[in-house]
Amino acid sequence: DVKVTQSSRYLVKRTGEKVFLECVQDMDHENMFWYRQDPGLGLRLIYFSYDVKMKEKGDIPEGYSVSREKKERFSLILESASTNQTSMYLCASRGLSSYNSPLHFGNGTRLTVT
Amino acid sequence: DAKTTQPTSMDCAEGRAANLPCNHSTISGNEYVYWYRQIHSQGPQYIIHGLKNNETNEMASLIITEDRKSSTLILPHATLRDTAVYYCIGHRLLSQGGSEKLVFGKGTKLTVNP
Repeated sequence: DVKVTQSSRYLVKRTGEKVFLECVQDMDHENMFWYRQDPGLGLRLIYFSYDVKMKEKGDIPEGYSVSREKKERFSLILESASTNQTSMYLCASRGLSSYNSPLHFGNGTRLTVT
Repeated sequence: DAKTTQPTSMDCAEGRAANLPCNHSTISGNEYVYWYRQIHSQGPQYIIHGLKNNETNEMASLIITEDRKSSTLILPHATLRDTAVYYCIGHRLLSQGGSEKLVFGKGTKLTVNP
């Protein structure tokens, strides 16, 4: 089974701190994604990456950046955390296939910025 | 990527079939209809996918209309554990690499009642 691991389940940070959310997948997947999930707003795409060092903006990239130095790891960076970035963050990956390439999600990191 | 529309919420009695609709009128010819579900406090999980034929697996059945503008996910005998948010999304298979922006809607909150 594909495993997508997010480094922290819960995280509390102060306003203005630089925050790193780490995501690692073990199936050599090419594509990786970062979403945030808020009540009533569903899953919103922040950034995605289709290869090492490649990244593309999603629908809400402001205030975030990403890093993909190795194929298995995709990091989400909050340069200066703000209270409106308090949210559940979900990482996902998917690989190449000619018959099925679903997204595989981690269990999320619940970030609170105080 | 296809924009999808789903009802906000649905109820179903335990043991009965749950039929969850999804409209995806802008889906393109090479996009598959994928269904995921998210149980509280977990990341979304893949359920089933299809292109134009009806599909069935151990979890559910998927009925896609002939014009591919809508589909229905069927849970044949819903249990309390099927209470979750269900998402449909259109996306391609990635057999040759490249990127694809995968955007989720707000999904349908299914409540299975005893």
